Amino acid sequence: DGGITQSPKYLFRKEGQNVTLSCEQNLNHDAMYWYRQDPGQGLRLIYYSQIVNDFQKGDIAEGYSVSREKKESFPLTVTSAQKNPTAFYLCASSTPGTSEDEQFFGPGTRLTVL
Amino acid sequence: GQSLEQPSEVTAVEGAIVQINCTYQTSGFYGLSWYQQHDGGAPTFLSYNALDGLEETGRFSSFLSRSDSYGYLLLQELQMKDSASYFCAVRWGYQKVTFGTGTKLQVIP
Repeated sequence: DGGITQSPKYLFRKEGQNVTLSCEQNLNHDAMYWYRQDPGQGLRLIYYSQIVNDFQKGDIAEGYSVSREKKESFPLTVTSAQKNPTAFYLCASSTPGTSEDEQFFGPGTRLTVL
Repeated sequence: GQSLEQPSEVTAVEGAIVQINCTYQTSGFYGLSWYQQHDGGAPTFLSYNALDGLEETGRFSSFLSRSDSYGYLLLQELQMKDSASYFCAVRWGYQKVTFGTGTKLQVIP
């Protein structure tokens, strides 16, 4: 079955440590996205990528980094520079330009920094 | 920046109809999308309006008026399982997406 996988589902880290969240898709989508969601809030765009080896900052990129070495993979690193990293992180992919403009989301990773 | 405003909470009775509004202060976007998210889950796509007017998908309909800078999601024949958060979203530029503030819908018996 095609879809997006994120791992792990829950992640705990000590303050000051970098952590990398995995996102893999087998939908053959060109575009991939990372969002952050805080309790009771909407989704805020961290980074997005249109094609391999290209990515752009979203609205809240400070303290985060990404790479897009393969079409299927778009890992997100939460660095120690991110002041409040505890949140729910969602990865998504899409093929822009289609009539539906649908984004497909992974199940998310809930990160808690202790 | 772009902003999309939604009511924070809406309560409706099972079997009724509810409308969730989305007002925005942006221009030049490609279209307005709607997503549903149950607690703890991932958002799932509901509908998309590329053009002004009404789009119908089963019990869900979505409307867009660019001249009035607003859209809405209409849910008919409400069911308990419709209790969730609903988000509007716009794509502006080729890839950048902005989501609304979200509306938590509670369906009561």
